[in-house]
Amino acid sequence: DQQVKQNSPSLSVQEGRISILNCDYTNSMFDYFLWYKKYPAEGPTFLISISSIKDKNEDGRFTVFLNKSAKHLSLHIVPSQPGDSAVYFCAASARQGGSEKLVFGKGTKLTVNP
Amino acid sequence: GAGVSQTPSNKVTEKGKYVELRCDPISGHTALYWYRQSLGQGPEFLIYFQGTGAADDSGLPNDRFFAVRPEGSVSTLKIQRTERGDSAVYLCASSLFPGQGATTGELFFGEGSRLTVL
Repeated sequence: DQQVKQNSPSLSVQEGRISILNCDYTNSMFDYFLWYKKYPAEGPTFLISISSIKDKNEDGRFTVFLNKSAKHLSLHIVPSQPGDSAVYFCAASARQGGSEKLVFGKGTKLTVNP
Repeated sequence: GAGVSQTPSNKVTEKGKYVELRCDPISGHTALYWYRQSLGQGPEFLIYFQGTGAADDSGLPNDRFFAVRPEGSVSTLKIQRTERGDSAVYLCASSLFPGQGATTGELFFGEGSRLTVL
């Protein structure tokens, strides 16, 4: 039973356009959400996070939106660059419940074409 | 280096053998995590250490898996009687505990140890 779902295995966008990666979750105890980026043969690297008390967090070209009622979050990258091509993982944790573990989705492979 | 270091980077073993995977976290990070990533999946939580003690080992799949962190720094993941289904990339991560000044809760991952059980 997947608690964090990334339903699009892949996404292809043109350089300079917006990339939108989506993530859904089922566990209402999740109160902290993170996005990680992973290049081949490397470990995941942290990109951006959002607490459940917020609905938006922005960091440069990256913005994460959280819709708690829909249990949905999305990562917007604008403008997209070829170097953004990687696998993006959505992750969630239930920190108020005392859990430090992250539950990851299966990932979405983003390809940004020059 | 300043990052999380994992050894070996690749390990090929035969079914039934014993394997140890080592993780050297970022200096000063008291929290250490082990995750496993199978092909086509996201990282799956195995165990979390706060200092020397395992604070949460709920992700260990069975008693063939065991992890230690005797001095609160380096950790070793031990797998007994390996099975073909254990083949995966084993990722280690470390972090500052939120009370230590971490603001984002991010984990810093190593490059992983790819285990292949023949």
